[in-house]
This record gives sequence, C-alpha cells and structure tokens, in this order.
Amino acid sequence: GAVVSQHPSRVICKSGTSVKIECRSLDFQATTMFWYRQFPKQSLMLMATSNEGSKATYEQGVEKDKFLINHASLTLSTLTVTSAHPEDSSFYICSASEARGGPYNEQFFGPGTRLTVL
Amino acid sequence: GNSVTQMEGPVTLSEEAFLTINCTYTATGYPSLFWYVQYPGEGLQLLLKATKADDKGSNKGFEATYRKETTSFHLEKGSVQVSDSAVYFCALRFSQGGSEKLVFGKGTKLTVNP
Repeated sequence: GAVVSQHPSRVICKSGTSVKIECRSLDFQATTMFWYRQFPKQSLMLMATSNEGSKATYEQGVEKDKFLINHASLTLSTLTVTSAHPEDSSFYICSASEARGGPYNEQFFGPGTRLTVL
Repeated sequence: GNSVTQMEGPVTLSEEAFLTINCTYTATGYPSLFWYVQYPGEGLQLLLKATKADDKGSNKGFEATYRKETTSFHLEKGSVQVSDSAVYFCALRFSQGGSEKLVFGKGTKLTVNP
C-alpha cells in the first residue's frame, strides 16, 4: 500500500513554455500533498503544502505565480511550472499523506520528475 | 529554526562492514526524527523513525536512537549488504500551520561493494 506516482518521470521543454507535473496517491486518499525541489547533492527543499480543496501554502522564497499548485481531488495534485527558464531545471518530488490518525498519515513520496529547461 | 545536518558522503564500504551515518538536528519543540532511503531510480522510502527521546527506530537491520542530550539520530547497521547501496536522508518533522512538515539533511550516498 501507500503508493504515490508522478508523471512524467522526465520532461525536457523550451524556455518560456509551461510544464505540468502530476502527483497521484494510488491506494489512499491524500488530504495533504507536498511538493519538494531537489538540487544535485542537495537536500529536498519544501516548496509548498496543499490540502485538498484549499489553496496551497508556499514556503518563503517560492514564487506562487511561477509554481502553480492544484489539489483538486483526494488523489491528485498538480504542479505547473509556468514560463519555465533554465534555472527552473531541477528534480521535483511530491509526497502525500492521509489525515492524522489514519494508517497513511506519514508522508509517502513519489519517484520524482526530472525537469530540464533548454 | 529547524535544521538537520548529516554526514557528507559518499561512503563506500565492503559487504558485511559496519555502517554509521551521523545525523544531528536543531529544533524548536519536540520533533519526530526519521531516516529515509532512496534507491536508484525510486522515490524516498521511510526506513525508520522515532517520535520521542530515547526511542529506538529499527528496520531491515538498521537502527537509530533519538538522543535528545546530543540532538542526534545516528543511523547504524552491523553488517551492510550490496543491496543497501542507496542515498540515506535524515529528517525531522515538526508542526506548522496545521501541517506536519519535514526538514531533510543533504543525504549520504552509500555504496557497498561485494
């Protein structure tokens, strides 16, 4: 149980285009989803937290207009990188958790999406 | 603030060697502590956790003890296998704004040679 998938696993796009990354919880209802960014040889940095049906809460320094997050259902969250630039190239990882008290109230991680902006 | 510092790698060991990966933390309040493992091409998986001081988390032969006095949560395994080759992340969890957030260390890459 507790499987989280991400799609696509790898994407290459041109500068100025927008890219959407999907995160799905496959066997549990994720009341909260998290989006992280990981640079080479660096830690995972939390970008934002989203609760189903609510606006995402962004961490300090993360541009909410650039990284659009939608958590429209209990099994799907999307991250859209708008007007991507080379400096947005990174490894994006999502995680999902159930409400407190549930069997899946830890964060379960997706396999990540490698974004390369040319 | 909340932060995690873990031993920088890479770490290369021979099979059956003893493993220690150091992790120390800074936190306000009483965080829970975690070790995650990331195998090549896969997402992070929870390896073990401890939720209060003196708790010992264990799984798959790995152990870590929550030491409040030294603010540490070092990962150990008595005899590593080739299949343990992965990146290991130490993390702490704290509550903020109604959510429970994770703060990660930079990760330590372990390579075990036969």
